[in-house]
Amino acid sequence: GNSVTQMEGPVTLSEEAFLTINCTYTATGYPSLFWYVQYPGEGLQLLLKATKADDKGSNKGFEATYRKETTSFHLEKGSVQVSDSAVYFCALRGTGNQFYFGTGTSLTVIP
Amino acid sequence: DADVTQTPRNRITKTGKRIMLECSQTKGHDRMYWYRQDPGLGLRLIYYSFDVKDINKGEISDGYSVSRQAQAKFSLSLESAIPNQTALYFCATSRTGQNQPQHFGDGTRLSIL
Repeated sequence: GNSVTQMEGPVTLSEEAFLTINCTYTATGYPSLFWYVQYPGEGLQLLLKATKADDKGSNKGFEATYRKETTSFHLEKGSVQVSDSAVYFCALRGTGNQFYFGTGTSLTVIP
Repeated sequence: DADVTQTPRNRITKTGKRIMLECSQTKGHDRMYWYRQDPGLGLRLIYYSFDVKDINKGEISDGYSVSRQAQAKFSLSLESAIPNQTALYFCATSRTGQNQPQHFGDGTRLSIL
């Protein structure tokens, strides 16, 4: 079946630190992979996506590479800002067209 | 204006009451979804619809029903609310196609007393 496992939080970093949030997946076929971000009081917003192996998604300084050999899609950012504080969700869209979400990782960036 | 609009944004009600949460979209997407979000559990799919005549149960459909009144409208009902249905509920939409992302409303915070 399909599932997503992501790094448990909460994560607290100082401004300008390097961020990694791990995400691994189990899927049949060739899923598309996504990272979403949720700011307080809001819905989930698409952050980036990758649709095939070795694709790199990027947006707002965040990057993630679709690694089929390790079934991973880790989120990285070289220098986080206070405004990056949010909850981050890894997700996959399987061949059945349903989405499967991880449990979310809360990130707090302190000045 | 938001592309995916959920009403109400907040609701407090009592056990046993019938509640309807509404979702409308201006994105022209065929597919619509209802999720609930609970702390530590992420998002869980309640129901989804691929077009007006298509309704499918998700992971946790018991205690819920839905209606797809039009392409742009998808409502979620709790026929007889119970306290463990207290959660944050999200509506989402997407285009057809495996590479297409979902687009979310801002959520409805529902409390059942």
